[in-house]
Amino acid sequence: QVQLVQSGALVEKPGSSVKVSCKATGGTFGGYTIVWVRQAPGQGPECMGRIIPILNIADYAQRFQGRVTITADKSATTVYMEVRSLRYDDTAVYYCARSQRFCSGGTCRKRADWFDPWGQGTLVIVSS
Amino acid sequence: EIVMTQSPATLSVSPGERATLSCRASQNVNSDLAWYQQKPGQAPRLLIYGASTRATGIPARFSGSGSATEFTLTISSLQSEDFAVYYCQQYNDWPTFGQGAKVEIK
Repeated sequence: QVQLVQSGALVEKPGSSVKVSCKATGGTFGGYTIVWVRQAPGQGPECMGRIIPILNIADYAQRFQGRVTITADKSATTVYMEVRSLRYDDTAVYYCARSQRFCSGGTCRKRADWFDPWGQGTLVIVSS
Repeated sequence: EIVMTQSPATLSVSPGERATLSCRASQNVNSDLAWYQQKPGQAPRLLIYGASTRATGIPARFSGSGSATEFTLTISSLQSEDFAVYYCQQYNDWPTFGQGAKVEIK
């Protein structure tokens, strides 16, 4: 059974960049989509973007377009999420999760973006 | 963006009692709705998808209902481990979550 293991907590300065990793253990991502979700203190989760690792195709929520980049390694076992130009309000726990949006033969299952399993989360603190 | 609104924000319930949480979508999402449970310091845990299908390993006391814009999560008899925050999430369009509903011990 695939589990998602994320990199450790980070403290970064405003204006800098941060890159968080998400590794599949016990298997690969296969044709599944991996999503990045962030949760600011006391807030609900927010879906930032997603990637199909075997195709290395990503798309993003409009508010993160241009500031966030999601990539995957060629083995499709690790996904990365980079946030640039960090601001204080980027302080949050960042989660990766597997979406049930499965892609095969160039076609992806539609309306299947519920998330299970999740990584353990990575706390990113933006502080001067 | 589809906005998800949950109510109430906090629900105080005694163990063994029934809890009912509501979630409203700003537009029709059909049955493309999931529910999650989150405990402090943990990632969300999938409970329900497709508005009413329990995820693997989820106890039968959790049930979901609704369609279009109105959804409900019911916990039939609250156990101590059920006191947590619950989120709804739609996936008919770009995924969005509600702001959460806390179920606390009365």
